[in-house]
This record gives sequence, structure tokens and C-alpha cells, in this order.
Amino acid sequence: AAGVIQSPRHLIKEKRETATLKCYPIPRHDTVYWYQQGPGQDPQFLISFYEKMQSDKGSIPDRFSAQQFSDYHSELNMSSLELGDSALYFCASSLGSGGYGYTFGSGTRLTVV
Amino acid sequence: KNEVEQSPQNLTAQEGEFITINCSYSVGISALHWLQQHPGGGIVSLFMLSSGKKKHGRLIATINIQEKHSSLHITASHPRDSAVYICAVDSGGGADGLTFGKGTHLIIQP
Repeated sequence: AAGVIQSPRHLIKEKRETATLKCYPIPRHDTVYWYQQGPGQDPQFLISFYEKMQSDKGSIPDRFSAQQFSDYHSELNMSSLELGDSALYFCASSLGSGGYGYTFGSGTRLTVV
Repeated sequence: KNEVEQSPQNLTAQEGEFITINCSYSVGISALHWLQQHPGGGIVSLFMLSSGKKKHGRLIATINIQEKHSSLHITASHPRDSAVYICAVDSGGGADGLTFGKGTHLIIQP
């Protein structure tokens, strides 16, 4: 069965550069959630989208933005990268508010040097 | 906001032992998820529970809604079970998805 696809799997960027992470939900899922997990930390909610509209916003820095496209995939854009942005960024998708469960992507491991 | 507590934080056991990981939460939920994360890896969903008990292979998950508590059990543990096990709760209807516990770091020694 198709899973949530994230790309790239690994990314190395320098400070002050920009990065774009992509998340492709499983078919029929219309909701995407982005999470950030720092080294040794529990995941923190960043932002979510439902039917191409921003649904909720968590601890997402102003330097980051995201959107969901007509095919329901989502992109997380990160600018002016800082060393502290190094983390695993994973997304999850669901149908509606998640009553039927969530499917998780494998994440993008971002390293800022 | 739901507070999710897991115990223990770290657990080292010998191959073959029966493992129990606990999760408590503070506010009523619509569902609870047990997730597995291998070092450097992504997250794999093991179970989604709203009541009772589920079993998959050597893994068993139980939930007591009244006590706001869930347990994940691993029978006949194996070194490949070594991973971080994360409890996450869905408080229902929230657009922020799940609230995660800090995880239990499990090491199974051969």
C-alpha cells in the first residue's frame, strides 16, 4: 500500500540558506500535519492543512512557511536556516481530523552546518 | 492541552524478556497511538486504540479510558525490537494532530 512520501530523506544546508521539504500524503487523505523533532526531543507540532487551507499553527518560526497544493501534497519552506533548525521533520496525513488514524512519513533529516 | 507521560524513559532488557511500556494522559481522548522509531529512522505506527486491547504478532496494546492509561507489551523481546516507542494521543477534533510523549528508549541485549 502507498505510504506517506517525504523528500528528500536527508538534507544538509549551510546557515542562512533556504530549504524546501515535501510531503505527499496517501491517496484520499486531505489533511497534512508537519512536526519537528530535535535531537533527543519529542515531536513538536508545526502546522497543519486541511483541504488546501491552513488548519492550525503550532510552534512554527516566522522564517518557515508552508502550503498545501491542489493534489494535497504539502511543502515546508525554511529560510535563513539556523543551526538549531537541525532536526527530523516528519509529516503525517489523515482523512479529515484523524478519526480514522494517521499515516506517518519517514521524515526528512535536516542538518544545518 | 493534553499532557502525555511515558514510563520508563529508558529500558534495557535481555532478549526474551517481557517488556511493558506505560503511557498516561491528562485529558480525555478520541484515540491513542503507539509509534516506533528506530535510530535515525522515521516513525512507524504500531497501534491506534480507542478502547480495549489490540494484538499484532508479539506486540500487545491495551487502554483503560477511565484511568487514562495505556500499556504497550512486547513478548519474547528481540534485539530488533530496540527502538524508541512513543505514545501519542488524539484529543479529538484538534487541527494540531497528535500530542506526543517523550518516548521510551528500549534496548534489548542479546
